[in-house]
Amino acid sequence: KNEVEQSPQNLTAQEGEFITINCSYSVGISALHWLQQHPGGGIVSLFMLSSGKKKHGRLIATINIQEKHSSLHITASHPRDSAVYICARMGRNQFYFGTGTSLTVIP
Amino acid sequence: GAVVSQHPSRVICKSGTSVKIECRSLDFQATTMFWYRQFPKQSLMLMATSNEGSKATYEQGVEKDKFLINHASLTLSTLTVTSAHPEDSSFYICSAGLNVQETQYFGPGTRLLVL
Repeated sequence: KNEVEQSPQNLTAQEGEFITINCSYSVGISALHWLQQHPGGGIVSLFMLSSGKKKHGRLIATINIQEKHSSLHITASHPRDSAVYICARMGRNQFYFGTGTSLTVIP
Repeated sequence: GAVVSQHPSRVICKSGTSVKIECRSLDFQATTMFWYRQFPKQSLMLMATSNEGSKATYEQGVEKDKFLINHASLTLSTLTVTSAHPEDSSFYICSAGLNVQETQYFGPGTRLLVL
């Protein structure tokens, strides 16, 4: 069983829509990461969270430590946001990855 | 921001040959680097943790004699796929950070195709 679960697995949205991707994990964490992987394979670290909420541009990440749940929100989505979004929990010295959410934003 | 490079970006080799992939942190020192493998339509899988000056730590199911890791300096880790087979064809990615609890910076990845 994967220790990090993401939903949905696939998501298609119209340009401009507000998007939410969810991540749940089963054990306590020191940090949770949200990553973005573009079609070419390159990975960018979007956020590292240990509590609360972080915002960067149109991206917002929240985490609820008690509920072991995190969400990534994209406001005013754009076709260039199309990518795979991966959450990963940092364990003692390694990452445990979710299976990813493939997002397609249609113009 | 911090940059991690990988070389080569793409490699095609014959079955039975060895392939070396380099991961470099360009503007910071990393005592720890991570190596991942990603098969098509699947998520990243951690292969091993590369520790500068000591032996790498391998994940369960990853053969240490097949995937040789050398972390000879604070800015360079290498992964050598020895006696590569077609089933080793995959996307190999490294990451590094100032320390394991900080933001990780990912290399652009290396696509390996073994014929």
